[in-house]
Amino acid sequence: QSALTQPAAVSGSPGQSITISCTGTISDVGDYNYVSWYQQHPGKAPKLIIYDVSNRPSGVSNRFSGSKSGHTASLTISGLQADDEADYYCNSYTAGRTLVFGTGTKVTVL
Amino acid sequence: EMQLVESGGGWIQPGGSLRVSCAASGFTVRSSYMSWVRQAPGKGLEWASIIYSDGSTYYADSVEGRFTVSRDNSKNTVYLQMNSLRTEDTAVYYCARGLSYGITHYYAMGVWGQGTTVTVSS
Repeated sequence: QSALTQPAAVSGSPGQSITISCTGTISDVGDYNYVSWYQQHPGKAPKLIIYDVSNRPSGVSNRFSGSKSGHTASLTISGLQADDEADYYCNSYTAGRTLVFGTGTKVTVL
Repeated sequence: EMQLVESGGGWIQPGGSLRVSCAASGFTVRSSYMSWVRQAPGKGLEWASIIYSDGSTYYADSVEGRFTVSRDNSKNTVYLQMNSLRTEDTAVYYCARGLSYGITHYYAMGVWGQGTTVTVSS
C-alpha cells in the first residue's frame, strides 16, 4: 500500500490551465477506473471534485476535469482562479478492496 | 442533508486505547461505504480503514491489527477503536461516506465530517 505519487507543487497564473499527475501501479490506478480527486483548503475537510477518473459530482465546476492513461491519472484545472489555491489529492481503489491516497500537490495561483 | 459528526478525540499516552465515533444523519450507515481517513499535522491524507455495506472491513497496513472499524445501525454511527497507539498515530481523524447515486455505490468519498483530533504523546 504505497502512496500514489504526485508532484509536490504546481503553480499557474489566473486564467491558465494546470495539470496534476498521479502515478500508481498495476494494483491500483493501472487496473481500476476508480480514481478520485479531492481539494482541501487549509484547516478544512477535503472536498470530492472528481470520481471514477473523469466524473464530476453535482455542483463541482466544469473547470475541473480528469483522465487516465495506463498507471497515471491526471487532474486538469482550467481557467485557474484564486480560490483554486489549495492542496489536491488523488485516491484509488486497490486490489484487496482497500483505498490509497496520493502524496498531495500544493497548487499556487501566482 | 447528509452530515457526519466525529467525536471522541483527545490526548492519550503511547500504548493506550481510544475510540472515536462518527454520527451520521440524512442517510443510513448500514447501506453505505464508510471510511476513516487521517491527516497528521502538516502532512497529507492517509486512508486508514473502511467498512462496506456488506459489513466487511479493511485496513491500511499502518493500522492493521491495532485499529478496528465497526458500526451500530441502531445509532447510525460508525466507530474506530484504536489500540496500541503510537506517537505517529497523532492526526486529525475524518470519517467519510462513499458517494452513491440511487442504488449505485462508488469508492469515492463524497461526504466528510469536520474531523476529530487525536494526540498520542507522553
